[in-house]
Amino acid sequence: QVQLVESGGGVVQPGRSLRLSCTASRFKFSNYGMHWVRQAPGKGLEWVAVIWFDGSNKYYADSVRGRFTASRDNSKNTVYLQMNSLRAEDTAVYYCARDRDWSTYNYFDQWGQGALVTVSS
Amino acid sequence: SYELTQPPSVSVSPGQTASITCSGDQLGDKFPSWYQQRPGQSPVLVIYQGTKRPSGIPERFSGSNSGNTATLTISGTQAMDEADYYCQARDSSNVVFGGGTKLTVL
Repeated sequence: QVQLVESGGGVVQPGRSLRLSCTASRFKFSNYGMHWVRQAPGKGLEWVAVIWFDGSNKYYADSVRGRFTASRDNSKNTVYLQMNSLRAEDTAVYYCARDRDWSTYNYFDQWGQGALVTVSS
Repeated sequence: SYELTQPPSVSVSPGQTASITCSGDQLGDKFPSWYQQRPGQSPVLVIYQGTKRPSGIPERFSGSNSGNTATLTISGTQAMDEADYYCQARDSSNVVFGGGTKLTVL
């Protein structure tokens, strides 16, 4: 069974930084693009970022571009989300999700359990 | 920026058919996907590429897609189907989710 496990969430003050990790198992991680998707409390899903299977391309939502950076270490089966200059509106559960078919009609076939990030003074 | 529009809520009686719509400009060309999210849980893929059902998803879930509208249909709705449902599509280098539809099984 494919597994994605997020870690690194917590409470952080506005303007500070936090790094999330998502460790994958039971599939060939280096063959897949990976996404970050977030969900603010009581709200819907919001796409955050994608990083290609080899890290060669990354795309971001307008709301986080310039503040968040996705990266990956295929030797550790882990994808990261570095979040800088955090704002209250970044408070959300952050999910990592496995990409399928980005080149055509992409979808997410596996999701992690999520990591809660709370930005508050 | 591209937008997907869903009704906030849909109600259905047990055993009946529930239909949840998702609208967007030329959505039929984007072959959207659908996700189910039960309270406190992570999303689960129920339909991908407009009409395909992943293994393990009951046959009562189906998708259709044409023009500017995609529809998720749940036939013979069960109490366990009560959840939030989201449509999703890729537009260039962005991924877009609909606002979500809360399905209530009365």
